[in-house]
Parts: sequence; structure tokens; C-alpha cells
Amino acid sequence: QKEVEQDPGPLSVPEGAIVSLNCTYSNSAFQYFMWYRQYSRKGPELLMYTYSSGNKEDGRFTAQVDKSSKYISLFIRDSQPSDSATYLCAMRVGNEKLTFGTGTRLTIIP
Amino acid sequence: GAVVSQHPSWVICKSGTSVKIECRSLDFQATTMFWYRQFPKQSLMLMATSNEGSKATYEQGVEKDKFLINHASLTLSTLTVTSAHPEDSSFYICSRAGATDTQYFGPGTRLTVL
Repeated sequence: QKEVEQDPGPLSVPEGAIVSLNCTYSNSAFQYFMWYRQYSRKGPELLMYTYSSGNKEDGRFTAQVDKSSKYISLFIRDSQPSDSATYLCAMRVGNEKLTFGTGTRLTIIP
Repeated sequence: GAVVSQHPSWVICKSGTSVKIECRSLDFQATTMFWYRQFPKQSLMLMATSNEGSKATYEQGVEKDKFLINHASLTLSTLTVTSAHPEDSSFYICSRAGATDTQYFGPGTRLTVL
């Protein structure tokens, strides 16, 4: 079993829809949770950063962490074609290395 | 703007040759930088941690003699893939730590070994 599980998709939704992306994990020691966006043939770009459980909102993006269920989510409201990318979840224990999900490929259809 | 740059952005080489990839921290003196490899439709896998002025720390299963890392200055780390083979073809990405314990990634280097 992988430490971090993420549905690779692909996921296609119409423009303006709410997108829900999720990851589950097995290591209860993970403390820091991140979402990265990666456009094709580019490096990952940090979108959201959360410590421990709770919600965090930044513009159209909301990150949720449920440590009791070992489940994290990223919601994108009013999705735009420019949101089409691969979204990677990542998590970490303290200062240890980041563990990534495989990424979900998202396409927003105009 | 970008805080980490990589050069080249893509490279094609013949099997058996060596390829050097540069990673630069543009806005911050980074004592530690990280090298990742990403195969198509797979996650980023940490290869090694590059430490300025000392030896790199390699992850289990990564051949240190094949993937040479040099971190000679606070703004530059290099990864040299020695005697490259087709199975080394991948997307290589470097990163540096950010102020809030996050990581900022470079744009990546796509290596194709023929």
C-alpha cells in the first residue's frame, strides 16, 4: 500500500463547476499538507499549505484536512480552463522529506 | 516570479554520455536543495538532498555514482547523470525550501536518452 493514494484521473468538468480533489494517506504522523499544481512539462507550483487538521481558503481554492480520517481535499470553485493541470498532494512529518501523491489530471472544459 | 531556475529545460543525448543539469536559487541562499525525478503519470520521487559544501544525501535505491550532485555555492546545485541510458529518460526537478517549510520547485529538465 502506498503511503499516499491519489486518484490519477483524468477528471473533466465543465467551466464554472466546483472541483473536488482528494488524497488519502496511511501515516498518521503526517503533519504538514500541501497541494501543488503542475502544468504540462513544468515544475510543481505551491497552491495551498496547511498544518494539521482544518480548512484553509485562498481565493477560489479551499484545502481541507481531516486527520482522523487521514483524508485531505482541495476544492476549486468557479473552475476556469486555466485551472487545467495536474494537481499533486504532498505531506510531511516534521522536517522529513515530502511524500507526494501520483497527481490528478484535471481538464476544465470551456 | 520564479525563485528556482533550471538549465537546460530539455536535453537529448546518446546512450553512454553524461549530462549535467543546473539548478539555481534566484532569490535566496539555499544551503539545502532537493533533486526529484518524475516518470510519466507518476509521482515525484526524491532522489537526493544536496547540501552546500558537503556530500549529498541519497535516497535508498538511488545510485550516487550514477547521479553526481555538486552544491558548490549557496545558489547553485548541479546533477550530473553519468553514462546515461534510455531508462534514465525522465523529468528531473530541483527544489529549495521556502520560509514556511514548503518547497519551491524549478521548472524541470526533460532528459531523453537515445
